[in-house]
Amino acid sequence: AQSVTQPDIHITVSEGASLELRCNYSYGATPYLFWYVQSPGQGLQLLLKYFSGDTLVQGIKGFEAEFKRSQSSFNLRKPSVHWSDAAEYFCAVGAVGGYSTLTFGKGTMLLVSP
Amino acid sequence: DGGITQSPKYLFRKEGQNVTLSCEQNLNHDAMYWYRQDPGQGLRLIYYSQIVNDFQKGDIAEGYSVSREKKESFPLTVTSAQKNPTAFYLCASTQTDRVGTQYFGPGTRLLVL
Repeated sequence: AQSVTQPDIHITVSEGASLELRCNYSYGATPYLFWYVQSPGQGLQLLLKYFSGDTLVQGIKGFEAEFKRSQSSFNLRKPSVHWSDAAEYFCAVGAVGGYSTLTFGKGTMLLVSP
Repeated sequence: DGGITQSPKYLFRKEGQNVTLSCEQNLNHDAMYWYRQDPGQGLRLIYYSQIVNDFQKGDIAEGYSVSREKKESFPLTVTSAQKNPTAFYLCASTQTDRVGTQYFGPGTRLLVL
């Protein structure tokens, strides 16, 4: 069975500093990988996704993520954090060629300090 | 605008009562999903449907029921058998029955009186 681990429950970053949110997955074959963001009381918005090809994926709002097969990781990065980036971030994995369910991590809450 | 709508935004349930959460999409997506979100638990899959008149249980289906009579609609009923229904409920859809990007509605918060 596939699984996703987001090791950090909370992360605090100063505004303007760089950000890296960690995501490790467990799956026996090539996965589809996603990062979503959720503001309080809202639905989830897709930031970026990896299906195949270039392992460095660009997303919206200046985010990027790198798929590293050898480390089973798909970490999310942003070079300079803005106060509006404060939210909860979810990593998700799906099975290539499989039916359409995704497995989500438990999320990382990003706090941005002035 | 295409998207997913959920109603109501807030819902209150009395003890022993069944309540139904609405989810509608106009994206012409084939597959639809219901998730439950609790603090620190991430998203847990309740039910999903890949085609009209068919649906499958997810990881936490007990105490819930669904129907899929129309492609656009996937209502979730929280029955009295669900003893801890207080949570944030999210509906999502995706274009095909294969893995793809899931698009989410704004959610319904269910509270027990």
